[in-house]
Amino acid sequence: DAKTTQPTSMDCAEGRAANLPCNHSTISGNEYVYWYRQIHSQGPQYIIHGLKNNETNEMASLIITEDRKSSTLILPHATLRDTAVYYCIVRGSNFGNEKLTFGTGTRLTIIP
Amino acid sequence: EAEVAQSPRYKITEKSQAVAFWCDPISGHATLYWYRQILGQGPELLVQFQDESVVDDSQLPKDRFSAERLKGVDSTLKIQPAELGDSAMYLCASSPNLGWQGETQYFGPGTRLLVL
Repeated sequence: DAKTTQPTSMDCAEGRAANLPCNHSTISGNEYVYWYRQIHSQGPQYIIHGLKNNETNEMASLIITEDRKSSTLILPHATLRDTAVYYCIVRGSNFGNEKLTFGTGTRLTIIP
Repeated sequence: EAEVAQSPRYKITEKSQAVAFWCDPISGHATLYWYRQILGQGPELLVQFQDESVVDDSQLPKDRFSAERLKGVDSTLKIQPAELGDSAMYLCASSPNLGWQGETQYFGPGTRLLVL
């Protein structure tokens, strides 16, 4: 699986957009970019995923660069409940390489 | 909204004792995963099932850990004997069908194990 690089921690003011970057320069053509988050003492929560195109759902937007070597997760209006560790994961789609390999993620703190 | 169920939520045991965790995946999900998360790290896959069959257990310490999914629905992860280093969060996840491109895993709340 391709490796990802994320900042260790970030702060964001409540009500502002939180932009979380992720580098995945060794991503291959059939690998997806997934984002999960983990609020303290809970199981990881799925946020969004994409392959090539930008994606948006009710939780967030995912912007993937044209060369697919990096991506940004955007939480448009951050609230205190968005404080969590955010994991960017590159995951294959073929049998045998579809497992999720978690790194240490970005610890996002929303400041009141 | 359907969820992955796990029990117990917390478990304290003494080293050398046996301990077991239970997971009930989202109804209809064929693939089930067990992860271990040590404090301060991301989750690490221990074992993956497709229905009742093990697909990947390469990271499962088989001398003391075992996992089963006898009827292809719920699953049990066992540790015998438990060691101090097994203290961690044990997470279960499920997804609808192995091999579908881009399918999503959904996680349960986890079981936090403390070995004394």
